[in-house]
This record gives sequence, C-alpha cells and structure tokens, in this order.
Amino acid sequence: DAGVIQSPRHEVTEMGQEVTLRCKPISGHNSLFWYRQTMMRGLELLIYFNNNVPIDDSGMPEDRFSAKMPNASFSTLKIQPSEPRDSAVYFCASGRGDQETQYFGPGTRLLVL
Amino acid sequence: GENVGLHLPTLSVQEGDNSIINCAYSNSASDYFIWYKQESGKGPQFIIDIRSNMDKRQGQRVTVLLNKTVKHLSLQIAATQPGDSAVYFCAETTGGGNKLTFGTGTQLKVEL
Repeated sequence: DAGVIQSPRHEVTEMGQEVTLRCKPISGHNSLFWYRQTMMRGLELLIYFNNNVPIDDSGMPEDRFSAKMPNASFSTLKIQPSEPRDSAVYFCASGRGDQETQYFGPGTRLLVL
Repeated sequence: GENVGLHLPTLSVQEGDNSIINCAYSNSASDYFIWYKQESGKGPQFIIDIRSNMDKRQGQRVTVLLNKTVKHLSLQIAATQPGDSAVYFCAETTGGGNKLTFGTGTQLKVEL
C-alpha cells in the first residue's frame, strides 16, 4: 500500500520566494495534518483537516502560511513570502477520522537562503 | 546568534540488551497514547499504541506500559538491534480527538 506521499522531498529557495509543498494522504483517510520539525522547536502541528475542512489552524505561524485541501486526495501548504527562519522539515500525516493514529509522509526538507 | 537546539535525551544500549524509553505526559485527561520511531531522514513511524483503560500492551519485541497515577509512559524494546537506532517520540491525545501532542523525543543509540 502506498503511504503518505509528499513532494518535493527537498526544496532550496531564496528569501522572498513562494514555496508550495504538496501532500497526498493515504487513500481512505479523511484527516490530514501538516507539521513542522526543527531542532529548536521539535515537532509542531501547523494545521489539520477533517473531510477537507480546516479544523484547527492555531499552529500556523503567521499569515505568510496558508494551507488548502481541495479534495480528499490532495493538500498544499504554501509559504509566501518565504524567510530563512522557515527552514525546516515539513511533514504531512493522514489518518482515519474515527481513529487517532496518524501516518506520516517522508517529509519535505526546506531551506530558505 | 548561537543556535541552541532541543537537547534530546540519549539512551545508549548494547546490541542484544533491552531498552526502556520513558515519557512523562502532562494532561491527566489524555486517554490515548502512541509511540513513534523516527529514523534519520525519515518521517515518524507508528510503533505501538495504548488506551488509558489498559496499563500494558505488547507488540513484536516492543511493550508499552502506562502508569496513569504518575502520568508516565514507557516503551520497552527487547533484544535491541542496530536497526532500532532512532529518535522515539511519545504522543498523546484526549477524548477521541485527532490532535496529537508530541513529546520532545529520546535518541536511542545501539552500540555493537
């Protein structure tokens, strides 16, 4: 079975550029989560969706970050404009709405110069 | 300025020994707990879970123990192997919700 798929796996960009991270959840899962992981702050939940609807975006750092889930099989996390402090590994995870377990993708390593 | 990162506790064990990784949680209302394993360069991987109506659950080479009185969770790995080297996270949630709260993690190093 395919797990959570994220793209790109690595992204290097310059400050001020727009960055779009993509996620395909596991088929049949109706919850989707975006996390950020850094050495400074560990693993942080940014936002999560149930049935394509954003439920909790309290972890989104600021207005430069936005996330969408146009359908059950695709989500994006966008940073515009990007800043060096956004450098981190961004993980997408999915789960079934009736279960608490989340399954993580391989992550996108973002470096903003 | 100097970049000060999280100080991950480190547990070093000899190959073949048993490992015990501990986690203290803060929310007494948490009723579901998960252990994740994260290898270098990969995403966290589900290992085992336990609900608050249990105090022990066993998997293949792993056992999770839950002590609700002192809000403590532990992961025991039997006959630790080099492939077990990773960072291990505990996570908790409350009331059947989706939102997980993760601990800071423990680095397990297996010495040959």
